Amino acid sequence: EPEVTQTPSHQVTQMGQEVILRCVPISNHLYFYWYRQILGQKVEFLVSFYNNEISEKSEIFDDQFSVERPDGSNFTLKIRSTKLEDSAMYFCASSEDISNEQFFGPGTRLTVL
Amino acid sequence: GNSVTQMEGPVTLSEEAFLTINCTYTATGYPSLFWYVQYPGEGLQLLLKATKADDKGSNKGFEATYRKETTSFHLEKGSVQVSDSAVYFCALVKGGSNYKLTFGKGTLLTVNP
Repeated sequence: EPEVTQTPSHQVTQMGQEVILRCVPISNHLYFYWYRQILGQKVEFLVSFYNNEISEKSEIFDDQFSVERPDGSNFTLKIRSTKLEDSAMYFCASSEDISNEQFFGPGTRLTVL
Repeated sequence: GNSVTQMEGPVTLSEEAFLTINCTYTATGYPSLFWYVQYPGEGLQLLLKATKADDKGSNKGFEATYRKETTSFHLEKGSVQVSDSAVYFCALVKGGSNYKLTFGKGTLLTVNP
């Protein structure tokens, strides 16, 4: 069964460093999403992406964040200069159509020291 | 804005016990409601959904009924199994919002043999 994959499963970085979280969505899906969950808090929407552009972003998704679909299979989330408060589990999701079920990856745990 | 409140965990039950995980929501209009489940080491998986008032979603013995009058979508299962041990997330989507999901905090369920 097709699934969304994410790498790495755990990333540890120093404050101020850039990180890139990678996702491979399901191959025929067209809509892509990033969510995050800070420990003990809710899963929060970050950004949605369609047709090679951001379709919606939350207040959390400031200029430090960017997304890209560099090669037609990967979907990446870049954090330019990480802060302590960026430590969280980051989930990627994809869907075939806008109203269809979103399929989630297993998440990347980001720890900023 | 939209929000989801679900019962704080963790919940620990014995096998074959009855499960209820409470979920209430705040949203304008008529959202669609979901329960997602996350098994250890895996991504969020859609467990069940309901798209309008009085709809009952069901899957794998789990049920939840969309109650508009109480703005609730409580998850129930008559007889839990050890394999049901997971984190359960209640979520909503408000149509016209790019289908971004608004999640609750998640409830960890542990079922002991």
